[in-house]
Amino acid sequence: GENVEQHPSTLSVQEGDSAVIKCTYSDSASNYFPWYKQELGKGPQLIIDIRSNVGEKKDQRIAVTLNKTAKHFSLHITETQPEDSAVYFCAASRSGNTPLVFGKGTRLSVIA
Amino acid sequence: DAGVIQSPRHEVTEMGQEVTLRCKPISGHDYLFWYRQTMMRGLELLIYFNNNVPIDDSGMPEDRFSAKMPNASFSTLKIQPSEPRDSAVYFCASSLGLWTDTQYFGPGTRLTVL
Repeated sequence: GENVEQHPSTLSVQEGDSAVIKCTYSDSASNYFPWYKQELGKGPQLIIDIRSNVGEKKDQRIAVTLNKTAKHFSLHITETQPEDSAVYFCAASRSGNTPLVFGKGTRLSVIA
Repeated sequence: DAGVIQSPRHEVTEMGQEVTLRCKPISGHDYLFWYRQTMMRGLELLIYFNNNVPIDDSGMPEDRFSAKMPNASFSTLKIQPSEPRDSAVYFCASSLGLWTDTQYFGPGTRLTVL
């Protein structure tokens, strides 16, 4: 089955700097890659997603890139703010009755 | 809509006791998921339902775990008997469609088994 590896497990950046979180997946048939943000005491919430027919997608300060050949995708957050501090999860899935598989998460701390 | 509702938010119980976690999905969503989150194993899918019918329970760790969805607005996850290693945060999520549709998570139930 699908296996998703996520790095780093923790990340600290200065406010205003950029943050990059990377994920690799094992199933070449995977075609949907969402990113979820989990704030303290809350459930994960979708922040951005990308499908395999797209190489990059942006939404204001966040962007996701996908390299299907290398089977990896990344989340980029620019001009980080304290409210970006949270745990971020990547995930992968493919069409059909296969489960969405999550990475182990990255705890991002933005230092003011 | 109020979002996915879970109760209780915190549960502390003793080993051997029965624990029941509850979930109310977003109205109109056809899929309901139960996840378990731990530091060691991350976010694990336990079971999911489509239109109240269990589709895949391969993630349920043991026979001590069971889940039901008697109607479109309510689901339970039961652990009987509970063990200390069941301590985790349990999330319920719902979505309109399957894997490429956004899953909306509830706030979770933090379970501690002493």
